Amino acid sequence: QSAPTQPASVSGSPGQSITISCTGTYRDVGGYKYVSWYQQHPGKAPKLMIYDVSNRPSGVSNRFSGSKSGNTASLSISGLQADDEADYYCSSFTSSSTLVVFGVGTKLTVL
Amino acid sequence: EVQLVQSGAEVKKPGESLRISCQGSGYDFTTYWITWVRQMPGKGLEWMGRIDSTDSYTNYSPSFQGHVTISIDKSITTAYLQWSSLKASDTAMYYCATLTRGSYGSDYWGQGTLVTVSS
Repeated sequence: QSAPTQPASVSGSPGQSITISCTGTYRDVGGYKYVSWYQQHPGKAPKLMIYDVSNRPSGVSNRFSGSKSGNTASLSISGLQADDEADYYCSSFTSSSTLVVFGVGTKLTVL
Repeated sequence: EVQLVQSGAEVKKPGESLRISCQGSGYDFTTYWITWVRQMPGKGLEWMGRIDSTDSYTNYSPSFQGHVTISIDKSITTAYLQWSSLKASDTAMYYCATLTRGSYGSDYWGQGTLVTVSS
């Protein structure tokens, strides 16, 4: 089971918008609606930002949105803020024996 | 308020056994599965496995199958991750989290348990 691929890093200036991609296969990202996104600040536990491709948990800013097309899911962040600087991971249900797989992670830098 | 509280940091030698814990509170413990996630120093998140808090059914990632055991004690709303023989490569932060049935997202996370294995 290979981890879905994500860009190693993305960056943007405050107020700008960015998108992070998560590319898997038909066995995970492409085959199911069960894609989640997590934000992790250094030294902290991950935080769920998006579940089921595009749903936001209560309390998560509407600046965060998710979508999917084919085997690629995307996390978009609008109106970048300094506190958005963190690592971001996608995860997906997978029909392989592992059940859930995380993407390799993307470091977001707010310039 | 849903909380998952993990046991404290551990320092062990190679070959030793270890069990770390994750106690849930503030919710019906059978509502969510419990999952364990490894994060090696400076690396990404790795899904290890999950346990159904209702019937203790488990799934493991092939990467961890046979090397760790996930268990649960519903009476004290606590999940466990255990090793019978640690390796230096087990040095990592380990997180427990809830895993929502039918969504496979993790809403709630423990604070993490740092395991250091060194001779």
